[in-house]
Amino acid sequence: GAVVSQHPSWVICKSGTSVKIECRSLDFQATTMFWYRQFPKQSLMLMATSNEGSKATYEQGVEKDKFLINHASLTLSTLTVTSAHPEDSSFYICSARDPGRRVYGYTFGSGTRLTVV
Amino acid sequence: GQQLNQSPQSMFIQEGEDVSMNCTSSSIFNTWLWYKQDPGEGPVLLIALYKAGELTSNGRLTAQFGITRKDSFLNISASIPSDVGIYFCAGQITSYDKVIFGPGTSLSVIP
Repeated sequence: GAVVSQHPSWVICKSGTSVKIECRSLDFQATTMFWYRQFPKQSLMLMATSNEGSKATYEQGVEKDKFLINHASLTLSTLTVTSAHPEDSSFYICSARDPGRRVYGYTFGSGTRLTVV
Repeated sequence: GQQLNQSPQSMFIQEGEDVSMNCTSSSIFNTWLWYKQDPGEGPVLLIALYKAGELTSNGRLTAQFGITRKDSFLNISASIPSDVGIYFCAGQITSYDKVIFGPGTSLSVIP
């Protein structure tokens, strides 16, 4: 149980275009999901907290107009990287918690590798 | 802000050896988590600790939640090649809170 799926697993886009990444909870409903970014050989850095039916909460230093988050349903959150540039190339990972299970920590998706050329 | 430190940064060990890695925090966490990440994948939860002083095992893995709630260690016994990966400690203030990650310990196992 508590499976989180991300799509796509990798994407290459041209500089200046926008890219949408999906995060789905497959067997549970998630009112809260989290988006992380991970650069090579570095740790996971929290970007934002995605709340179903309300605005996302962004961490300090993360541009909310560049990284658009939409959590329109209890099983889907999307992250859109707008006007992507090469420095946005990174590994993006989402996570969610199944509120119906007494399990601490969160389940993570398998990540999306974004390369901006 | 909350900051986690992990040591060592990297380890190279012989297959069959035991491994120990540590995590310290500048502030108190009420939940400590240990994750393993394989290349190109998301992290996978290994052990969750939620009581100060708690010692928890999961197969060959053992982790302890420090009594001060500012540190934790993870031990791996009798390492095998599939133990290779990045091990992250992480903390939460509450179980519903965001997860803050440490910088990671890279483990390499020499067959």
